[in-house]
Amino acid sequence: AQSVTQPDIHITVSEGASLELRCNYSYGATPYLFWYVQSPGQGLQLLLKYFSGDTLVQGIKGFEAEFKRSQSSFNLRKPSVHWSDAAEYFCAVGAKAADNKLTFGGGTRVLVKP
Amino acid sequence: NAGVMQNPRHLVRRRGQEARLRCSPMKGHSHVYWYRQLPEEGLKFMVYLQKENIIDESGMPKERFSAEFPKEGPSILRIQQVVRGDSAAYFCASSPRIEYGYTFGSGTRLTVV
Repeated sequence: AQSVTQPDIHITVSEGASLELRCNYSYGATPYLFWYVQSPGQGLQLLLKYFSGDTLVQGIKGFEAEFKRSQSSFNLRKPSVHWSDAAEYFCAVGAKAADNKLTFGGGTRVLVKP
Repeated sequence: NAGVMQNPRHLVRRRGQEARLRCSPMKGHSHVYWYRQLPEEGLKFMVYLQKENIIDESGMPKERFSAEFPKEGPSILRIQQVVRGDSAAYFCASSPRIEYGYTFGSGTRLTVV
């Protein structure tokens, strides 16, 4: 069974600074990997996804993530955060298998200081 | 395309009542998933359905919870005899295929008083 770990529960970053959120997964084959963002009281919005090809993927809102098979990681980055990036971020892993469902990490809450 | 529609957005039930949560997937999406999010926790998988079939219900509590996705109409998550511990946000998502990821609804926030 697949699993996802997001080691950082909270991260505080200054506006304009860079941001990196960590995600480690466990799965026997090449997984499908996703990052979602959730603003307070809202549903989840897909930021980006990886399932094959270039290991550096670009997403919406200026985010990117890099798939590193050797480290079983899929870290999310943004060069310069905006106050509107304050939210909770979830990494998820899926597989092209019969179960067809995504497993989510516990989330990382990002606070942005002015 | 209206996206994934969930209703109601907020639902208050007294202990022992029934809660019915509805989800209409995006047009063209045949896979529906329900997740539960408890305060300060991540999303926990509950059930995966396709039209008229439950594909995976491994995350559903064994009692009081049921789900369906009929041939016509929305998917329904039903919680009978609710208890305080059922208070949570329940999210529905739909997808045409797993590699596209999910599109989530805005959720139903259930409060049991």
